[in-house]
Amino acid sequence: GAVVSQHPSRVICKSGTSVKIECRSLDFQATTMFWYRQFPKQSLMLMATSNEGSKATYEQGVEKDKFLINHASLTLSTLTVTSAHPEDSSFYICSATRLRGNEQFFGPGTRLTVL
Amino acid sequence: QQQVKQSPQSLIVQKGGISIINCAYENTAFDYFPWYQQFPGKGPALLIAIRPDVSEKKEGRFTISFNKSAKQFSLHIMDSQPGDSATYFCAAAHFNKFYFGSGTKLNVKP
Repeated sequence: GAVVSQHPSRVICKSGTSVKIECRSLDFQATTMFWYRQFPKQSLMLMATSNEGSKATYEQGVEKDKFLINHASLTLSTLTVTSAHPEDSSFYICSATRLRGNEQFFGPGTRLTVL
Repeated sequence: QQQVKQSPQSLIVQKGGISIINCAYENTAFDYFPWYQQFPGKGPALLIAIRPDVSEKKEGRFTISFNKSAKQFSLHIMDSQPGDSATYFCAAAHFNKFYFGSGTKLNVKP
């Protein structure tokens, strides 16, 4: 149990376009979902925390108008990178926690490349 | 300020040896300490976790040692195998807020 999926696994887009990444908890209800960004050979940087039905809480320095997060249901959260630029190229990873638990279960990640 | 400090940055171990990765934290409010294993191009996978009310937890070849007074915890991988070669992250958490260490790249030589 506790499987988290992400779609797409890889995406290449042109500068100025928007990209949506989906994060789904497949076999459990995720009360909280997290979005991380990871640069090569570096640790995970928390971007935002989202709870179902409420606005996401963004970490300091993360532009909420650029990285739109929607947590529409207990099994789905989406991250939209708006007007993407090459510096947004990165590995984006989501994670989810279950009700009454604080273990985080991570998705497989999405590699975004902005040309 | 880095909440969790992890060392070493990289580690080379012979097959069958013991791999040891250390982490230290400052915030005494942390109450959950997981270790994650990450292979290239994949998301982190939970390996083992401990809470501060115990000093050691063992699951198969993986053991967490926890020293509450020193605010340190470590991961020991016994009988290390080439398949263990990956990047390992420690984390410390409180109220669903996770802080990750900088990662240790482990290379187990056959």
